[in-house]
Amino acid sequence: NAGVTQTPKFRVLKTGQSMTLLCAQDMNHEYMYWYRQDPGMGLRLIHYSVGEGTTAKGEVPDGYNVSRLKKQNFLLGLESAAPSQTSVYFCASSDPSRLGTGGLDEQFFGPGTRLTVL
Amino acid sequence: KQEVTQIPAALSVPEGENLVLNCSFTDSAIYNLQWFRQDPGKGLTSLLLIQSSQREQTSGRLNASLDKSSGRSTLYIAASQPGDSATYLCAVRPSNTGKLIFGQGTTLQVKP
Repeated sequence: NAGVTQTPKFRVLKTGQSMTLLCAQDMNHEYMYWYRQDPGMGLRLIHYSVGEGTTAKGEVPDGYNVSRLKKQNFLLGLESAAPSQTSVYFCASSDPSRLGTGGLDEQFFGPGTRLTVL
Repeated sequence: KQEVTQIPAALSVPEGENLVLNCSFTDSAIYNLQWFRQDPGKGLTSLLLIQSSQREQTSGRLNASLDKSSGRSTLYIAASQPGDSATYLCAVRPSNTGKLIFGQGTTLQVKP
């Protein structure tokens, strides 16, 4: 089991360029999440998905789009990158089938993508 | 709106000391609380998860407690080691959502 993987690990963009970050998980989790981590701000939720074909906005969704075409993949897109989007991006997944049963609802995190927008 | 606060922001202790990291949250309506460890330049590793009905969880030298009514959790690390040096993050899951709300973390340095 690889767990949660993220591609790429590092990226430098110029303002206005677009890119897609890929998150993949092999744990058959229904829920997937995209967070960004900034100094002094902690982790903030960008978008999340509660299942294949679904997406929902988190705390800071502006400037980002997401897609969940396959259960194991969750893509984060930046259509026109801005310097304010310079950050470390983390993907996570969890298994909601254990909710309410006393089971654990841990979120498992990927290693992160460090993005710099010049 | 749920807010999570971790104090102190940074902590430095000599090896072997027992220490406590604090986490407070403003809304007691939570489903669970999770403690994570993050090493520099790395992702998050889950340490302990406490359900809202539980008072504490233990794993090795780590013990996490939860007092939901007062909006507080503590992470106790016994006999600290230099390898414990990392940033420790607390996150709460509000009831009926899958989302986590994170504190800003406490950066711990354990000196040999």
